[in-house]
Amino acid sequence: AQSVTQLGSHVSVSEGALVLLRCNYSSSVPPYLFWYVQYPNQGLQLLLKYTTGATLVKGINGFEAEFKKSETSFHLTKPSAHMSDAAEYFCAVNSNTGNQFYFGTGTSLTVIP
Amino acid sequence: GAGVSQTPSNKVTEKGKYVELRCDPISGHTALYWYRQSLGQGPEFLIYFQGTGAADDSGLPNDRFFAVRPEGSVSTLKIQRTERGDSAMYLCASSPTSVPDTQYFGPGTRLTVL
Repeated sequence: AQSVTQLGSHVSVSEGALVLLRCNYSSSVPPYLFWYVQYPNQGLQLLLKYTTGATLVKGINGFEAEFKKSETSFHLTKPSAHMSDAAEYFCAVNSNTGNQFYFGTGTSLTVIP
Repeated sequence: GAGVSQTPSNKVTEKGKYVELRCDPISGHTALYWYRQSLGQGPEFLIYFQGTGAADDSGLPNDRFFAVRPEGSVSTLKIQRTERGDSAMYLCASSPTSVPDTQYFGPGTRLTVL
């Protein structure tokens, strides 16, 4: 069974500050891990993904995430928040044998000018 | 190129009515997924197609929900005898391969059952 927990349904940061969105997963098989961003009235857009290989993954818009197997975590970070980063962020898990993606409940990021 | 499109963008219906939601995947994508997203929640898996066949429909909540993809491209999600609890955003995604590592999402259809 696979599942995702996103700690913090709402996160506020000042413009220019570090962004940290938390994601912990549960998986009985090697996971594929994803972060998606959803802007109002738009579909989900892939930010980054981890499948195999390097555990530090870089994505679009300056975001990155690190797969930590020992902590079952895949936290999303960005060194300096921009106003345009305000959106809903979803973490998701799958595996190389599964067709089902399991999404977390999302974290709404607010960027304060 | 064109992304995944979904029609209609909004659908308002009355309890007990039948609705169809359409998804046009990216051309050439063999895999297609349907999700339901309730307010304040993440997307919830409904069904997965590989080509024309439903490879996994374990997420469909009950037999009022059905989906087809007769020619391996466009898919239709069908909901019979709609209930107020069916109100949600219905998302479609497609993928170029059967390996589940990349999905491209459409903008969704907002379904409201009065």
